[in-house]
Amino acid sequence: AQSVAQPEDQVNVAEGNPLTVKCTYSVSGNPYLFWYVQYPNRGLQFLLKYITGDNLVKGSYGFEAEFNKSQTSFHLKKPSALVSDSALYFCAVRALDNTDKLIFGTGTRLQVFP
Amino acid sequence: SQTIHQWPATLVQPVGSPLSLECTVEGTSNPNLYWYRQAAGRGLQLLFYSVGIGQISSEVPQNLSASRPQDRQFILSSKKLLLSDSGFYLCASDRGPSGANVLTFGAGSRLTVL
Repeated sequence: AQSVAQPEDQVNVAEGNPLTVKCTYSVSGNPYLFWYVQYPNRGLQFLLKYITGDNLVKGSYGFEAEFNKSQTSFHLKKPSALVSDSALYFCAVRALDNTDKLIFGTGTRLQVFP
Repeated sequence: SQTIHQWPATLVQPVGSPLSLECTVEGTSNPNLYWYRQAAGRGLQLLFYSVGIGQISSEVPQNLSASRPQDRQFILSSKKLLLSDSGFYLCASDRGPSGANVLTFGAGSRLTVL
C-alpha cells in the first residue's frame, strides 16, 4: 500500500536559516508526491508536486523539494526561512488505485523564530 | 478559477443530534470530490470520495454518510453525532488551477460535539 512518513512532529528554525521538512515514501511503482501547507484554521494549500522529470521541484513561496529514489525521500526545503512560513506541512502520495485520492502523512509543524 | 465553499465554518452540536455539512464547488465541472477529517489539528483521514452524482465511496466505517445530489455539491451527514465525530472537516476537489492530480481544499468546517 502507498504511504508517506513524516518523522518529525515539529521542526524549529531561526529566521534566515535554511529549513528542511522530511518525508519518506513507500510505494510500488513510480510515486506521485506532493507537499501541502496548512495555516491555522484554514484548509490545505498546494505547494509543489513531483510526477516525473527533474528530481528538484520548485514550488510556491520559495519552497522546493528533492525527489531521491534511492533514499525514497521527498524532503521539503527552503534556503532562508521566514517567520510567516510557520505552519503545518503535509507530505502526500497519490494512491495507485486509478483514483486521484491522496494519502497524507501525519504532518510536521514548522516554527520559525525571529 | 475554482473556489470551494464550505459551511457552516463552525458548529457546536450535542451528542445524538444530526449533522449536515455542505460543500459546493465553483469554476469547474465534473470534479472528483473528497471529504477529509482532521482530528486534533494533525493527520488527515479520507472519509469519502465521489467521482460523480450519486457515486460515493466510503474509506472507513463510521457514523457518517455522504451524498452528492448535484455535480458540484457534496454533503456530509450524520443521523446521530458521537463525541468522536468532533474535528475539522475539509472538502476538496481535484479540478483546480494547479493542474492534474492536485487537490484544492475548502476552508474547512470545525465541528465540536459536546
